[in-house]
Amino acid sequence: QQQVKQSPQSLIVQKGGISIINCAYENTAFDYFPWYQQFPGKGPALLIAIRPDVSEKKEGRFTISFNKSAKQFSLHIMDSQPGDSATYFCAASYNKYIFGTGTRLKVLA
Amino acid sequence: DTAVSQTPKYLVTQMGNDKSIKCEQNLGHDTMYWYKQDSKKFLKIMFSYNNKELIINETVPNRFSPKSPDKAHLNLHINSLELGDSAVYFCASSHRPGHDNQPQHFGDGTRLSIL
Repeated sequence: QQQVKQSPQSLIVQKGGISIINCAYENTAFDYFPWYQQFPGKGPALLIAIRPDVSEKKEGRFTISFNKSAKQFSLHIMDSQPGDSATYFCAASYNKYIFGTGTRLKVLA
Repeated sequence: DTAVSQTPKYLVTQMGNDKSIKCEQNLGHDTMYWYKQDSKKFLKIMFSYNNKELIINETVPNRFSPKSPDKAHLNLHINSLELGDSAVYFCASSHRPGHDNQPQHFGDGTRLSIL
């Protein structure tokens, strides 16, 4: 019940394409769902986050879609750019953080 | 201004040695964490402290001992280093989860290599 399952493990997308990363959880106590972006040699940094009372949040090219009944949430990166190449982690939190296993995204120029 | 800073950035040492990693945050957070990230990029929580009190202690060998002298600092001491300890160790901080949830802020990591 404490796990957050993330897929795919790796993703290759052409420049300008849409990158989609999915996460699923079991524990309905989770009330905060952030996504983190990590570049090589750096720590993860918050990209965008959502709470379960909304179904979608958009910030620039990044959108979180949240399906409370299915206990799933996903990150969509529109118009993917080579600079988006990084590892992405979803997470879920109530009184502790649980991170997904990460997705390595590569955007081809 | 560095929000979460950890030192050293790189640590290369022999098996069996004892080493420490220091972490400081200037964000006014009350909760700090240590994570281990392996070569597959998995982020594994090791410890969490809230106001100098240990609140999370995952299954970690007792060779690892965290110490929090105040709520802005969380250091990690590792005794009798083993080859399997080679990884990147991240310090992070946040307001306490469950209390007005806020994101975690990470340092840039300490890459530990055991020879």
